[in-house]
Amino acid sequence: DGGITQSPKYLFRKEGQNVTLSCEQNLNHDAMYWYRQDPGQGLRLIYYSQIVNDFQKGDIAEGYSVSREKKESFPLTVTSAQKNPTAFYLCASSIVGLNSPLHFGNGTRLTVT
Amino acid sequence: QKEVEQNSGPLSVPEGAIASLNCTYSDRGSQSFFWYRQYSGKSPELIMSIYSNGDKEDGRFTAQLNKASQYVSLLIRDSQPSDSATYLCAVNILGLNGNEKLTFGTGTRLTIIP
Repeated sequence: DGGITQSPKYLFRKEGQNVTLSCEQNLNHDAMYWYRQDPGQGLRLIYYSQIVNDFQKGDIAEGYSVSREKKESFPLTVTSAQKNPTAFYLCASSIVGLNSPLHFGNGTRLTVT
Repeated sequence: QKEVEQNSGPLSVPEGAIASLNCTYSDRGSQSFFWYRQYSGKSPELIMSIYSNGDKEDGRFTAQLNKASQYVSLLIRDSQPSDSATYLCAVNILGLNGNEKLTFGTGTRLTIIP
């Protein structure tokens, strides 16, 4: 079955450590996205990529980095510079185009203490 | 003004009644509108998309779009307890860099009362 796989489901880290969240899709979608969700704030766009080896900052990119070396993969690194990293992180993909909906992975819940 | 606005709720509806969820948006040029359902602790799942003015029905769900009023709504008929979730409205909004991006509202929490 086609879909988006995020791993791990839960992740715990100490403050000051970088951590990388995995996102893999086999839907053959060109576009991939990372969102962050906090209680009561909806989804906020961190980074997106519409083609391999190219990506764009979203609304809250500070403290995060991404790479897009393969069409299927779009890992997100949460760096120590991110001041409030504890959140629910969602990866999504879509066909490139205005009318294309997003398909989401199951999410990774990151807790930093 | 927020780009996509929803009433956060909670909205409580008796089982079997019609639940009405509303969303307004700021970009008059928006062309694509989506409703997602999100259960607690889970990821959003697409339930409806609508692109032109009027109503679009899919089973118990009806999406309504009025571009002149910049308003999109979701009606759920014969509400079931399994419909209890947070409903997210998403609209394609023109960003500051000239690119369109899908912008989400903060969601409306719906509770169906048995």
